[in-house]
This record gives sequence, C-alpha cells and structure tokens, in this order.
Amino acid sequence: RKEVEQDPGPFNVPEGATVAFNCTYSNSASQSFFWYRQDCRKEPKLLMSVYSSGNEDGRFTAQLNRASQYISLLIRDSKLSDSATYLCVVIRAKGGSQGNLIFGKGTKLSVKP
Amino acid sequence: EAGVTQFPSHSVIEKGQTVTLRCDPISGHDNLYWYRRVMGKEIKFLLHFVKESKQDESGMPNNRFLAERTGGTYSTLKVQPAELEDSGVYFCASSLRTGYLTDTQYFGPGTRLTVL
Repeated sequence: RKEVEQDPGPFNVPEGATVAFNCTYSNSASQSFFWYRQDCRKEPKLLMSVYSSGNEDGRFTAQLNRASQYISLLIRDSKLSDSATYLCVVIRAKGGSQGNLIFGKGTKLSVKP
Repeated sequence: EAGVTQFPSHSVIEKGQTVTLRCDPISGHDNLYWYRRVMGKEIKFLLHFVKESKQDESGMPNNRFLAERTGGTYSTLKVQPAELEDSGVYFCASSLRTGYLTDTQYFGPGTRLTVL
C-alpha cells in the first residue's frame, strides 16, 4: 500500500465549478501536510500547507482529519488556470527521515470553458 | 531572487554511460534535496544534504548513484553506469532552515533523463 493515496482522476469540470480532492495517508507518524500543484512538465510548487483547524486561501480550502488520516482540498469557482495536477504531500516526524517530502501520485484537474 | 536551477534540462544517454546532474539551490539555503519521478509513479525522495553533509540518503536506489555537495553550495548527482530504469525526471529542492517540518521546499525545474 502506498504511504499517500490519491484518486488520479482526471477530474474534468466546467469553469466556475467547485471540485474536491481527497487524500489518505497510512503512516500515523506523519506530522506535516501540504498540497502542491504541478503543471505539465514543470516542477511542483507549494499551493498550501494543511492544518488540523482547516485553512483557506482565497478559493482554496484545505482540511486535515488526523483521526481518519485524511486530507482534502476544495477549489471553489474553478478557473481555467487551475488546470494542473494536485499533489498530496506529507512529512514524517519520527521513525525515519525527517524533512523529506512523501508524495502521492497526484490528482489531475482539467477545467473546461 | 533566483530560484533553484538545474542543469541539464534534458539528457539522453545510452545504457552503461555516465551522467552528472547539477543543482544550484537558492542562495543561503542550507537544505538541499534530490527527488526522482519515474514514469507512472509518484515523486520519491533520494537524499538530503544539510550544508555539505548527507543528512539522509535512505532513498538512493543503489550504489550506482553518487551525490555530492562540496562546499555546501551546489550539488551533483552522478549515475554510473546508467541503466534503463534510471530514466525519469530528477528534481532538486532547497529549503532555508533545518529542523522545521513546515519549512517550504522550493523545487527546481528538473532534469529529464532518458536512458536508451
């Protein structure tokens, strides 16, 4: 079983739609959580960190449920420019490497006009 | 401020040859990471430098891979001899502080390696 699991998609949505991505992680020692965005043939870029209390950045809302080991990303009012692959990423705090990122395979989003 | 840079952007070599990838982190960043994405798989950690020291190399696939960071500035990742399964995109990332789990890692554009 992969340490970070995501639905690969693709999610094809119209402009203006609301779309939600989910991610589960298997290692309870995971301590920090992030969503990265990766455009085609580009490098991953940090979209937002994810906190237990939930956090929002404009049209983007991230949630963490530690009990269920589940992370989500909600995108409201989708734009064409949101089309990308969204990577769920965790960092372990102990029992292994500290600091290195553990990636899911990513969820592909395509926003259509 | 310049971001993380990597060279070359693409490399096509034959099985058995040697390739050296270079990464220049953001100036002042002590932490430098190498990651790799092979086709169809997730991005995976290879190793982590803090300044010139290898903090963690648990992700290095085998002894055909050698990473160095002399002087704690740029880093090289050498593959010798290259095998077909080494094909993929090699990303370098850097971050400023050590010991902070939430410190942002900034990625370079990657080197796309193809081994024929």
